[in-house]
Amino acid sequence: DTGVSQDPRHKITKRGQNVTFRCDPISEHNRLYWYRQTLGQGPEFLTYFQNEAQLEKSRLLSDRFSAERPKGSFSTLEIQRTEQGDSAMYLCASSPTSGVPSEQYFGPGTRLTVT
Amino acid sequence: GESVGLHLPTLSVQEGDNSIINCAYSNSASDYFIWYKQESGKGPQFIIDIRSNMDKRQGQRVTVLLNKTVKHLSLQIAATQPGDSAVYFCADHAANFGNEKLTFGTGTRLTIIP
Repeated sequence: DTGVSQDPRHKITKRGQNVTFRCDPISEHNRLYWYRQTLGQGPEFLTYFQNEAQLEKSRLLSDRFSAERPKGSFSTLEIQRTEQGDSAMYLCASSPTSGVPSEQYFGPGTRLTVT
Repeated sequence: GESVGLHLPTLSVQEGDNSIINCAYSNSASDYFIWYKQESGKGPQFIIDIRSNMDKRQGQRVTVLLNKTVKHLSLQIAATQPGDSAVYFCADHAANFGNEKLTFGTGTRLTIIP
């Protein structure tokens, strides 16, 4: 049973650079979510896809952030012109459409450090 | 705005004892409440959830209690083991159409003392 995978696991970048993260959900899951988690805090919702459609975006997702899920399978999260405040763990989760809406399965996360 | 919060940031329990982690929530529209476990360097792991029309749900060594009157949620872990050491988050899912996000609390770090 393959869980949610994320790549890379760690990313160090300089302020102003662009970064892109990838998430591969559990294969039969239609729903995909991105969350951000800072140290000592719970995950904060960023955005949500149902298949390839991006249905919801948080106010946390500034214009520098963009997420895609072009074929309804894997998703990418891009951050342009990174700032030190972007340093966090970026978590991806997936869930089946027919399942309990609360049962989201999380990947291991991508830890971003902006220097 | 809505929030999900925890009463205690840390909890230490002797191995074999039972532990209780508490959580307060404010969103009356929540239809599910969930507990996640997060170990160091890993993503949150689903433990158990409870629908808003239930008061209690039991899993393997875990029990979740929901008190809607005072908007309080608790996770009971029986016969704790060293592997239970982790940060535990409560979260809620709102029942708004098209809104599938989970709102997480800050977390409680549970440490099992051998």
